[in-house]
Amino acid sequence: EVQLVESGGGLVQPGGSLRLSCAASGFTFNNYEMNWVRQAPGKGLEWVSYISSGGSTRYYADSVKGRFTISRDNAKNSLYLQMNSLRAEDTAIYYCARGGSGWYWGQGTLVIVSS
Amino acid sequence: QSVLTQPPSVSAAPGQKVTISCSGSSSNIGNNYVSWYQQLPGTAPKLLIYDNNKRPSGIPDRFSGSKSGTSATLVITGLQTGDEADYYCGTWDSGLSVVLFGGGTKLTVL
Repeated sequence: EVQLVESGGGLVQPGGSLRLSCAASGFTFNNYEMNWVRQAPGKGLEWVSYISSGGSTRYYADSVKGRFTISRDNAKNSLYLQMNSLRAEDTAIYYCARGGSGWYWGQGTLVIVSS
Repeated sequence: QSVLTQPPSVSAAPGQKVTISCSGSSSNIGNNYVSWYQQLPGTAPKLLIYDNNKRPSGIPDRFSGSKSGTSATLVITGLQTGDEADYYCGTWDSGLSVVLFGGGTKLTVL
């Protein structure tokens, strides 16, 4: 069974940093591209970032480009999102999602950016 | 405002059929596969349809998807109260190199 477990969310001040992690199991992690998607309170889904299976290709939404960095450690079956220069509008539930034909999603971790 | 356009809400009675549309352009829906996700209140999104019309194991055949040109459609038949949720379409945009989601459609089963 595919399992994705996010962690690392919490309360952070504007301008601060946070590193999210996603632990994957139940599938061959290094065969799949991965994504981060967020959902602000009461809003729809917003794609944040993509990384290829080997980690060589990365894409970002314009809203986070230059501030967020996606990475992965295939030896540890883990996906990461380093978030810097956080803003109030980054407040959201952050989901990691396995890519490919149809995505599988974790349960999410909540990030609150507030003073 | 999302690049992929979905109706904000749809409603129908139990047992009836509902259709949810997702409209895009040639750079996204027109040349890439579409997926559909169901998000029940307070939960993470769940895959319903992938590659335009394929169902993962465990998804009942009451849910079906199709694509024509730059639009995609999700059809739910035999509506149940448990189908009340938000539904999102998603696809890749080859021109922008980004993933796109529709704005979401809230289904109410009256």
